Amino acid sequence: SYELTQPPSVSVSPGQTASITCSGDKLGDKYVCWYQQKPGQSPVLVIYQDNKRPSGIPERFSGSNSGNTATLTISGTQAMDEADYYCQAWDSRNAVFGGGTKLTVL
Amino acid sequence: EVHLVESGGGLVQPGGSLRLSCAASGFTFSSYDMHWVRQVTGKGLEWVSGIDTAGDTYYPGSVKGRFTISRENAKNSLYLQMESLRAEDTAVYYCIRQVGGDNPFDSWGQGTLVSVSS
Repeated sequence: SYELTQPPSVSVSPGQTASITCSGDKLGDKYVCWYQQKPGQSPVLVIYQDNKRPSGIPERFSGSNSGNTATLTISGTQAMDEADYYCQAWDSRNAVFGGGTKLTVL
Repeated sequence: EVHLVESGGGLVQPGGSLRLSCAASGFTFSSYDMHWVRQVTGKGLEWVSGIDTAGDTYYPGSVKGRFTISRENAKNSLYLQMESLRAEDTAVYYCIRQVGGDNPFDSWGQGTLVSVSS
C-alpha cells in the first residue's frame, strides 16, 4: 500500500520560515493537500492541489510538490501556527495520510 | 454554512457492533462524496471508508469486511456500521465531505469517540 512519510517534529522561531516535508513514491504525480490540527480541534485544510490555499487561509501558507517530495512552507511563522500538520494524497480511490508533523514555534 | 454532526459513539465490548451517524446540513449532500476518518488519541489520521455520489464504497484493508459505509440522501445522512470491533478501533471518528476525484477533504465534523474495551 502507498505510504507518505513526514518528520515527527519541526521547530521554528517566530517570524522565520518553517518547512514540513512529505515523501512518497512518485508523489509529484499526485495532488497533495495539507491539514492543520490544533489540540482538541478537527483538522482544517490549509493547502490543496499541491499549492492552492482555501479561502480564509493566510498567504504565509504555501506548498510545492515535485519528484518524491511535497513541502508545506509557512513564511513568517506565528505562534498561532503551532499545530500538527498532515499531508494527504489519493492512491486508487484510497486516501493516504502522512504520519503528521508537530510544528513547534519557540 | 456547512455542518457535519456525528453521533453514535460510545463504549462497546470487543467483538461488538456500533453504528455511527452523521447529519449533514448547509450544502447539497447528494452532490458530494463522503468519508469517515479516525484518529487514535495522540496519534495520526487514518482514512477508514468513503462513498461516492453513485453509492460506490471504498475501504482500506484494515477495516474491509468489518465496516460498512452507507448514505441516505433523502435524510442528508451518512452512516458507518462497525462490526467485530477490536481494541485498536478505539478512536475519534470524523465525518468528512469531499467534492470527489482526488480533491481534498474540505469540511470535517467535530468527531465522535468510539471506545472498544471490556
